Amino acid sequence: GQQVMQIPQYQHVQEGEDFTTYCNSSTTLSNIQWYKQRPGGHPVFLIQLVKSGEVKKQKRLTFQFGEAKKNSSLHITATQTTDVGTYFCAGRRSNYQLIWGAGTKLIIKP
Amino acid sequence: EAGVAQSPRYKIIEKRQSVAFWCNPISGHATLYWYQQILGQGPKLLIQFQNNGVVDDSQLPKDRFSAERLKGVDSTLKIQPAKLEDSAVYLCASSLDPGRAGSGLKLFFGSGTQLSVL
Repeated sequence: GQQVMQIPQYQHVQEGEDFTTYCNSSTTLSNIQWYKQRPGGHPVFLIQLVKSGEVKKQKRLTFQFGEAKKNSSLHITATQTTDVGTYFCAGRRSNYQLIWGAGTKLIIKP
Repeated sequence: EAGVAQSPRYKIIEKRQSVAFWCNPISGHATLYWYQQILGQGPKLLIQFQNNGVVDDSQLPKDRFSAERLKGVDSTLKIQPAKLEDSAVYLCASSLDPGRAGSGLKLFFGSGTQLSVL
């Protein structure tokens, strides 16, 4: 069935290093959303990408939507302790069904 | 703007007991979602309502789970009887009508109910 694969499952970084998570869909998406879930919290909407090849930035976060609208990435530059959490992508099909990735957990090494 | 309200925040029950969760979405949001999130996994959609009608309940274990959204506002999710594998966080979310274009499609989540089945 329809899947959105998200990798890696975990990423350990030193504070100040960069972080990237990738999502790949088996089929074309109408749009893709990104959410952040802090430890013990609930998912919070970050951004939505709609157009093919779209790139959006939010301070140190850069979001990309692939040309074929099947893949997306989130890149964080110079991670900070406030970035800790799990980042989820959620791809929307043409029938408005939202398919969630399994998430990438960002862990800052002590 | 008030967010999505959920209760209770925590619930501990024994297997084979029943449990109910309540959700009040953001005012004006036509769509309401119930998700199950097992520790370390992404949210899994259980049921989606559009106003008071069911849009998608394909992943709802209907032999034990039920949900209703009377009057198209707040909603309850019930589990009867509970199993050990039902231990998870149950998240309620709401959004504007997905038929609208653009940012209306984003989901707002409540704080969730953490269920432990012993």
